[in-house]
Formats: sequence, C-alpha cells, structure tokens
Amino acid sequence: AQKVTQAQTEISVVEKEDVTLDCVYETRDTTYYLFWYKQPPSGELVFLIRRNSFDEQNEISGRYSWNFQKSTSSFNFTITASQVVDSAVYFCALINNDMRFGAGTRLTVKP
Amino acid sequence: GAVVSQHPSRVICKSGTSVKIECRSLDFQATTMFWYRQFPKQSLMLMATSNEGSKATYEQGVEKDKFLINHASLTLSTLTVTSAHPEDSSFYICSARVKNTGELFFGEGSRLTVL
Repeated sequence: AQKVTQAQTEISVVEKEDVTLDCVYETRDTTYYLFWYKQPPSGELVFLIRRNSFDEQNEISGRYSWNFQKSTSSFNFTITASQVVDSAVYFCALINNDMRFGAGTRLTVKP
Repeated sequence: GAVVSQHPSRVICKSGTSVKIECRSLDFQATTMFWYRQFPKQSLMLMATSNEGSKATYEQGVEKDKFLINHASLTLSTLTVTSAHPEDSSFYICSARVKNTGELFFGEGSRLTVL
C-alpha cells in the first residue's frame, strides 16, 4: 500500500527563519512521482515541484529547496528566509497509478 | 502552464438537490482525472479516478451512487453530488493528468455548502 507521512502537523516560525517540512513515503513501485503543493487560505492548490523516482538530484528554486533521498524514502522541503506570505498548508504527494497525499503541514510565519 | 478549470467555485444548495461540478482541461488532453474531497483543516482524500470513456474507479468508502463521475471526453469530467445533504458540504478538487507527459494539474476547487 502507498502512504505519505507528513509528521509535522503545524509549524510556527518567525520571519526570516529557515524551515524544513518533512515528507516520508512508502511505495513498492520503482517508478513514481513526488510532488509538493502549497494551499493558501483561499483553498486552491499551487504546484511547487515534481520529482520522478529516478532523479535524486536536489533542486533549488529561489528560497525553496528540496532534498530527495531514496535511501530513506524522504522528500523534504526547505524554505530559506521565510516570509509571512509563505504561511499556508503544504502537502506532499506520491503518484504512480493513483495519488496519495500526506496530511499536510500548516506553516505559520509570524512577522 | 496548463490550466484546469473547475466550475462552479462556490455553490450553495438545499438539502435533497443534486449539484454538478465540472472539471475541464483547457489546453491539453487529460487521460485521467482525479476527484478529491477536503474537509476543513484536513488533507485531500481521493474519491475516485476517472479515465476517459470508462467507468470511474472509486476509493473504498465512497458511494458511487452518491457521487456520480462522468468522464465523457479527454477535456471534461463531471462530479454530481446526488441528493445532497449537509454532511456533503466540503471542498471538492479535481486534477487532470496530461496525456503523453503524465503531468498533473489541479483545478481551483469547488466549495459546496448544503443547507
């Protein structure tokens, strides 16, 4: 069975702090995709990144970076120098033939 | 990027009525569309997977007669909540998988309130 675990339910930081959101997944498939989405209070899902199971190269996009470690089945997301606008719920998701979401991590960035 | 349009974004209906939510891929063909439900402050729960031209595959615990899903074309899938009740009030989101590339895009979501 597939499973995505985001152990951190809520995180609160002060602006300019770095914060890492954890994501651990389980799957028996060798081919799959991992995603991160942001869900602001308005509700829509904002795509952040997609990673396929054969690409373990870490990625940096501005203040965002992702660390994919197949050996530990983890796909962690780090926000550097957090800002108030980063406050949202962040979901990690696993896709192969279907799609499973983690429970989400609610990030609050205080000014 | 590709766009998935979901309509209506908000709907309020009376108990016992049926509500249809549309999910359209505007600039690509979608071989598969997914429907999710999200309760307040909770994760998205996959309700069903629909492939164009075939019956939807429902997740365990989702009533197929209650939540009718139709995927009539490569650009349109609909979710009909039949005989809606207040407990059906929720945020419903669709996603569409791009034919050939497998990329996935989400609609904006539809907030259903049943009075």
